Amino acid sequence: GAGVSQSPRYKVAKRGQDVALRCDPISGHVSLFWYQQALGQGPEFLTYFQNEAQLDKSGLPSDRFFAERPEGSVSTLKIQRTQQEDSAVYLCASSLVVGGLGANVLTFGAGSRLTVL
Amino acid sequence: QKEVEQNSGPLSVPEGAIASLNCTYSDRGSQSFFWYRQYSGKSPELIMFIYSNGDKEDGRFTAQLNKASQYVSLLIRDSQPSDSATYLCAVRSGGGADGLTFGKGTHLIIQP
Repeated sequence: GAGVSQSPRYKVAKRGQDVALRCDPISGHVSLFWYQQALGQGPEFLTYFQNEAQLDKSGLPSDRFFAERPEGSVSTLKIQRTQQEDSAVYLCASSLVVGGLGANVLTFGAGSRLTVL
Repeated sequence: QKEVEQNSGPLSVPEGAIASLNCTYSDRGSQSFFWYRQYSGKSPELIMFIYSNGDKEDGRFTAQLNKASQYVSLLIRDSQPSDSATYLCAVRSGGGADGLTFGKGTHLIIQP
């Protein structure tokens, strides 16, 4: 596609519900990142995929968070048993190449805004 | 722990003046530095990146990097009301495609 597409754009969940957020990166982009952005804060790194391999998941805040990219393109971020502190915008970003000093130019999607009541 | 610090602002600058945005980082191994602009309710969009000490100019924007002082800045010349946004400084440490560490952003307001 022309850009990084995320769905749903808005999600309201009751505390304890499971949610799934989808990211469709730019076609051919090798690297895919998930970030969490709370109100008034900068994006916080969650996890990183290179093709289908999840190379870094150090930013996932708890074992309730799970991400996958089984075929190396579309990715899903799943949050189980949502809590109020999970309320944030979840940003997906992709980049074309791997490595190099300036190669990590990320293109962000519009984000999925999650509100947990 | 890698940290990127920015003054949250708001920074108010008159139209036509130079806006100066500053950022410091804690990891001396950082190699690449990025400035993103984020309008309210929108996703971050890349303005420019820099990885060598000195200045890098692109139109009205100039990024400045001083690795010895662990300091990176963004200058916006001839500021326009459309430049009003939050500016995010981001840092990447490794030579590979690991994730960026972002600052909290500086809210810039250009006064007409």
